Amino acid sequence: ETGVTQSPTHLIKTRGQQVTLRCSSQSGHNTVSWYQQALGQGPQFIFQYYREEENGRGNFPPRFSGLQFPNYSSELNVNALELDDSALYLCASSTRTSGLSYNEQFFGPGTRLTVL
Amino acid sequence: SQQGEEDPQALSIQEGENATMNCSYKTSINNLQWYRQNSGRGLVHLILIRSNEREKHSGRLRVTLDTSKKSSSLLITASRAADTASYFCATVPISGGSYIPTFGRGTSLIVHP
Repeated sequence: ETGVTQSPTHLIKTRGQQVTLRCSSQSGHNTVSWYQQALGQGPQFIFQYYREEENGRGNFPPRFSGLQFPNYSSELNVNALELDDSALYLCASSTRTSGLSYNEQFFGPGTRLTVL
Repeated sequence: SQQGEEDPQALSIQEGENATMNCSYKTSINNLQWYRQNSGRGLVHLILIRSNEREKHSGRLRVTLDTSKKSSSLLITASRAADTASYFCATVPISGGSYIPTFGRGTSLIVHP
């Protein structure tokens, strides 16, 4: 267990709806990243938040948005759901330090989203 | 697009054998990480190797990095059925600001008891 939790575990929505996924970071971590993983593929980076500010974004449309809260928990919001949004959504927390130091990411178990 | 690409896509071996997976990448990196994922679950970090390192060990795992060839390998010695999983490499580029790992498509390892 990494200490990173995600909710819900599974979710079924219909096309056009909106969804909010939640992540609780490991204690002491100030950075959270969200990934989308389609079946049989590697995780694709959506965006990263560092101290409540977006700190990098992958090739995802604006209908994918996020928030990081002062307690370092985070949300991923997806509007106007499309069938291709069906995937496993993973969040990962880590600790950013100054300079070029980068520490390992701890992943949550993921939320399986199915869009019908 | 995928920065790191694992090879082979799938690997099937007997318990006790060694498993070797390779990762190639395109641009200069700050570090490279290997992760393991059991079916449909979250990823577990295995080893992080920095660009100035050539080899790291952790238990039965050995990772090498060759920056001149832009490649890395993960060796699992004396494999066990419990090692069955997908293995991903992730590269973190040299860039200011954000440290965003880019994952490959993974190697699916099956270890037969």
